[in-house]
Amino acid sequence: KQEVTQIPAALSVPEGENLVLNCSFTDSAIYNLQWFRQDPGKGLTSLLLIQSSQREQTSGRLNASLDKSSGRSTLYIAASQPGDSATYLCADLVQGGKLIFGQGTELSVKP
Amino acid sequence: NAGVTQTPKFQVLKTGQSMTLQCAQDMNHNSMYWYRQDPGMGLRLIYYSASEGTTDKGEVPNGYNVSRLNKREFSLRLESAAPSQTSVYFCASAPSGANQPQHFGDGTRLSIL
Repeated sequence: KQEVTQIPAALSVPEGENLVLNCSFTDSAIYNLQWFRQDPGKGLTSLLLIQSSQREQTSGRLNASLDKSSGRSTLYIAASQPGDSATYLCADLVQGGKLIFGQGTELSVKP
Repeated sequence: NAGVTQTPKFQVLKTGQSMTLQCAQDMNHNSMYWYRQDPGMGLRLIYYSASEGTTDKGEVPNGYNVSRLNKREFSLRLESAAPSQTSVYFCASAPSGANQPQHFGDGTRLSIL
């Protein structure tokens, strides 16, 4: 069964810290790995998409990496801010056009 | 820019009642999806439509039906609601092609008593 796992389930950091969120997946034949942000009571917003042939993608203070051989992806957030507080989800796109989601990491950035 | 619009935002049903959740997108996307999100389970795919006129089952299709009414609209129907279908339902859309991110609506919060 294809599975995506995110560790930790929750994380609290002081403002200004750099942090790493982890995502592992069981299906090495992925098409891409996507990171989303979800604010309370809202839908998901796409942050970064890493194609299977790529190793990383960057957008502003966010950097996502992909290592297919080990089945891992990380999301690095630099200089965290209270506005970064949200739940972050990773998902891999597998055969059939289906996204398999992890359960998310709930991030709290304290002022 | 509306993006993906879901209606209603909240609904309470009694067991056995039927209901249709509506979803519309204004981005001219070919693919549309229905997910449910439950605590501790993440998002799970119910049904998807790769293009107008086609629909396919996802991971948890039992108890649901879908209709791709046209390119813009993709509805999800619960014929006989059960308490196990209490969840937050999300609709998403994406352009054709494997490396295109999905765009999500704000969800429908459904409680079945």
